[in-house]
Amino acid sequence: DTEVTQTPKHLVMGMTNKKSLKCEQHMGHRAMYWYKQKAKKPPELMFVYSYEKLSINESVPSRFSPECPNSSLLNLHLHALQPEDSALYLCASSQYNTGELFFGEGSRLTVL
Amino acid sequence: GDSVTQMEGPVTLSEEAFLTINCTYTATGYPSLFWYVQYPGEGLQLLLKATKADDKGSNKGFEATYRKETTSFHLEKGSVQVSDSAVYFCPRGIGDMRFGAGTRLTVKP
Repeated sequence: DTEVTQTPKHLVMGMTNKKSLKCEQHMGHRAMYWYKQKAKKPPELMFVYSYEKLSINESVPSRFSPECPNSSLLNLHLHALQPEDSALYLCASSQYNTGELFFGEGSRLTVL
Repeated sequence: GDSVTQMEGPVTLSEEAFLTINCTYTATGYPSLFWYVQYPGEGLQLLLKATKADDKGSNKGFEATYRKETTSFHLEKGSVQVSDSAVYFCPRGIGDMRFGAGTRLTVKP
């Protein structure tokens, strides 16, 4: 199994809603990542978890809250988002926190 | 420190043209190097990699040779197709998980 699975594929939420994005991998990778990608821009790194501990937070606003409940799962909790947070959110994993990244298809978020 | 520099900016080619996208690196030692591709509406995927100097990575007709004498890892394809239209990235640094703007390739029939 060489897949990174993200759910949901599409999410529409209001600015007062609380929702979560989920990411799962079964490759035994110990590093997992969240990226945000706006249209026609490169992915921007948000968070890195290494061995289930948050190792990098790229100064992301607190309305985005990551969680790594175990080595296979990565969540991104969303609360009080703004319309400018609408983007494609990509999850990735790698065996260590360097080297080859395996990406999911992404969750396309629209904030109304 | 270690770094990677990618030729950025859009590239437009006709079908069957030759493609080169430049990527150069500075590093101590010979770390693994990667090219990723993002097709429209999809996530990124690894296109090819080379794990040591003089290695050639290849996939889907694309090739890149890890050249230590020129510190380069240029992406090449002899004859591009419309389906190759995508954005191509090499990571911003050695072992880095950050990406620059990438190179947007448009292939016209």
